[in-house]
Amino acid sequence: GAGVSQSPSNKVTEKGKDVELRCDPISGHTALYWYRQSLGQGLEFLIYFQGNSAPDKSGLPSDRFSAERTGGSVSTLTIQRTQQEDSAVYLCASSPFPTDQPQHFGDGTRLSIL
Amino acid sequence: GESVGLHLPTLSVQEGDNSIINCAYSNSASDYFIWYKQESGKGPQFIIDIRSNMDKRQGQRVTVLLNKTVKHLSLQIAATQPGDSAVYFCAENINAGNMLTFGGGTRLMVKP
Repeated sequence: GAGVSQSPSNKVTEKGKDVELRCDPISGHTALYWYRQSLGQGLEFLIYFQGNSAPDKSGLPSDRFSAERTGGSVSTLTIQRTQQEDSAVYLCASSPFPTDQPQHFGDGTRLSIL
Repeated sequence: GESVGLHLPTLSVQEGDNSIINCAYSNSASDYFIWYKQESGKGPQFIIDIRSNMDKRQGQRVTVLLNKTVKHLSLQIAATQPGDSAVYFCAENINAGNMLTFGGGTRLMVKP
C-alpha cells in the first residue's frame, strides 16, 4: 500500500531563497507531523496537524518557518529566507487518529543550503 | 543507548546472536512508547510499540520491555540478521496525538 510520500527527495538552494516541501500522508490519516533531523541527530518535532488545524506549533524554530495543510491531506512546509543552519532532512509522518497509534514516516526531503 | 551529536553509541553483534538496545526516556508522564529503525537515506520505520499499562510486548523476533520505575525501555532482537543493521530510535509520547520525543539513537552493526 502507499506510504507517506515526500517531495522533493533532495533540494539544494542558495541562502536567502524560499523553499517549499511537500508531504502526502497515508490516505485516511487525520494527523500529520513534521520533524527535522540534522546529520547524525535524533528527530526534532516541528509542527502537528489534526485535520487542517495545527494545535501545536511549538517546535517551529523561527517565524521563517510555516506550514499548512489543505483538504485534510497534503501539507506543505515553507522556509523563507533560508539560512545554512536550516540544512537538514525534513521528515513527515502521519497517523490514523491522534491516539496511541504509531506515526508512519516518509523518507524525507534532504535540504542543503549553500 | 543515548547519545549526543554525531557520536552515536554503536552495538556490534555477530549474526545469529541476540541484540539488546537500551533507551532511557525523559518524562515520567509518557504513556506510549515506540521503537523505530532507520536505514541510511530512509525515514524511520515502525518496529514495535508499547503502552504504559504494559511492561512487555512481543513481535516477530522483537521484544520491547518497559520499566517505568527507572524510566527505561529496551528492544531485544532475536537471531540478529545483517538486514537488522541500522540506527534504532526510541520515542515517547505524552497524551497521544502530539509530538514524539526521540532519543539520540543507537547504531546496530551486524557482523556476518
